Amino acid sequence: DTEVTQTPKHLVMGMTNKKSLKCEQHMGHRAMYWYKQKAKKPPELMFVYSYEKLSINESVPSRFSPECPNSSLLNLHLHALQPEDSALYLCASSQVGTGEGEQFFGPGTRLTVL
Amino acid sequence: QKEVEQDPGPLSVPEGAIVSLNCTYSNSAFQYFMWYRQYSRKGPELLMYTYSSGNKEDGRFTAQVDKSSKYISLFIRDSQPSDSATYLCASNAGGTSYGKLTFGQGTILTVHP
Repeated sequence: DTEVTQTPKHLVMGMTNKKSLKCEQHMGHRAMYWYKQKAKKPPELMFVYSYEKLSINESVPSRFSPECPNSSLLNLHLHALQPEDSALYLCASSQVGTGEGEQFFGPGTRLTVL
Repeated sequence: QKEVEQDPGPLSVPEGAIVSLNCTYSNSAFQYFMWYRQYSRKGPELLMYTYSSGNKEDGRFTAQVDKSSKYISLFIRDSQPSDSATYLCASNAGGTSYGKLTFGQGTILTVHP
């Protein structure tokens, strides 16, 4: 089973709201990722967790706050977002903690910021 | 220059045609190569994965990597309307890049009946 699940599927939030995106995998993968994808563009990396530790932050604004509570779960906490943050947010995972090998994506959360 | 270049198309072919999708890359450190298929408003689905140079076949799909020319290809045989999607090539270097994928821009493919 190569499944990465994400909740919620859709999220609409105001600029003053606080919300969280959740990602889960039960494949025993040790690297997990958050990507952001705008329409007609490829995914852009935001964060990488390797062995539950933050390894890469691609200079993402602090209104996005990642969290990795355990090896199966990845959260993305959202606060004071801007309308331009509206996008498809994708979670991915790969088996090896240093990221070599196949990377599997979840279905994404479509976020709209009003 | 982007690290991974991919012709965005769009590409339109009749059902049953052989489709050739291509990318070039500039980073010699890339070792892991992937092709993803993405339907509208869905997450990318991993189609093919190749480590280093060589060919890999899975059903109607064949992936080729030529590291000497930094060229990545995906061939789809007997294309079907259900293959209509955006195809993304992606590469990563492993090691301290922690699996950071560098994507091409994606090629939009339409297979018409």
